[in-house]
This record gives sequence, C-alpha cells and structure tokens, in this order.
Amino acid sequence: EVQLVESGGGLVQPGGSLRLSCVASGFNFKIYWMHWVRQVPGKGLVWVSRVNTDGSSVNYADSVKGRFTISRDNAKNTVYLQMNSLRDDDTAVYYCARSGKGCPDFWGQGTPITVSS
Amino acid sequence: DIQVTQSPSTLSASIGDRVTITCRASQSISSWLAWYQEKPGKAPILLIYKTSNLEGAVPSRFSGNGSETEFTLTINRLQPDDFATYYCLQYKTFPLTFGGGTKVEIK
Repeated sequence: EVQLVESGGGLVQPGGSLRLSCVASGFNFKIYWMHWVRQVPGKGLVWVSRVNTDGSSVNYADSVKGRFTISRDNAKNTVYLQMNSLRDDDTAVYYCARSGKGCPDFWGQGTPITVSS
Repeated sequence: DIQVTQSPSTLSASIGDRVTITCRASQSISSWLAWYQEKPGKAPILLIYKTSNLEGAVPSRFSGNGSETEFTLTINRLQPDDFATYYCLQYKTFPLTFGGGTKVEIK
C-alpha cells in the first residue's frame, strides 16, 4: 500500500523556521519526483516545490523561493521541506505528493503549519 | 507563469445530473492537465491525468477533454460520493498552477 506520512508541522512565530518530513512507503521512492503542495484552510491548492529523483534538480513557487529548501534522502525514503523566514501567509496545511504520470498522483494526509506570534 | 482559470466556483446539482467544469490556461499547455477531487479533511485524489486519462479505480462516469488552453471535466450521472471540490492542475511548466476549485453541492 502506497503511503506518505508528513510530520514536523506546528506553531511557529513569524521569522522562525520549521522542517517538514514526509516518509514514503509501499513504492520505489527513489524513482519518483516528489512535490510539496499547500492549502490554506478553506482555500485552494497551491504548489510549493518539487525535487527530482536524486535531488539534483529542484523548483519552487515564487512565493517561497529563497526561503524554502526541498531535499530528499533516498536511503530513508524521505523528502524534506526546510522552511525559513516564515510569514503569516505561510500558514497552511502542507501536503507531500508523489509525482507519477507527470503530475502529483498520490498525496499524504498533510501536516498543518501555523505562523503566528 | 501560466494562469489557470476554473469555472464555475460553485455548482449546485442533483443526483443523476451531468455536470461540467471548465479550466482555461493563459497559454497552451498541450495536454498537460490533471483533475483532482478533494473532500473535507482528506487529501486530494487524482482523477484524470494528461487531459483525458482516468486514474486507477476512478469510475467511468468521470471524463476529461480538451487541449491547448481549454479543458473540461464532466461527471455523468452524479452520485452522492461525487459531492466534493474539484481542482485542475497544469503541469506543462514550473511553477505548477492549480485552478481555483469548483465546489459541487447538492441542489
């Protein structure tokens, strides 16, 4: 069974940092690109970042470029999102998703981030 | 960046209805469009990829069509389980961009 389990979310003050983790199981993790997508409660989905299979190529949304860093550890079947200089508008549920068929095809259940003083 | 405009934002329908949701891209994305279904408190589920390809166990009452800049998701014979929010996603170029979503409500 394919599973993606996110962790690391919580309450953080503006300007602070968090690192999200997403552990994958049930599939050959190292051959898939991985994405992070976020959603403000009650609002739409927003793509955040993507990493290729070996971590050598990454992409970011303009809103997080220079503040967030995506990475992966294929030995641990884990993708990470290091989030620095957090802002109020980063508050959202963060989903990791596997990239199959060229697009996110399987999503985790998400981890909530609240940026507030 | 490619903008994706989804309409309508809300749609009221009855069991058994046929409903259509539209996404328009600000420039050609060829066939690189996917559709997702989301229910409250649950992760999104991929329904359709590359415009018209049904994912896995998705029921055949779902279908996708279109090309270049205009795309549709059609649900035939709406079922109770179909009341949800639907999103399209263009994945031709980064940054990937989602439509704003369509909430399908019970009339």
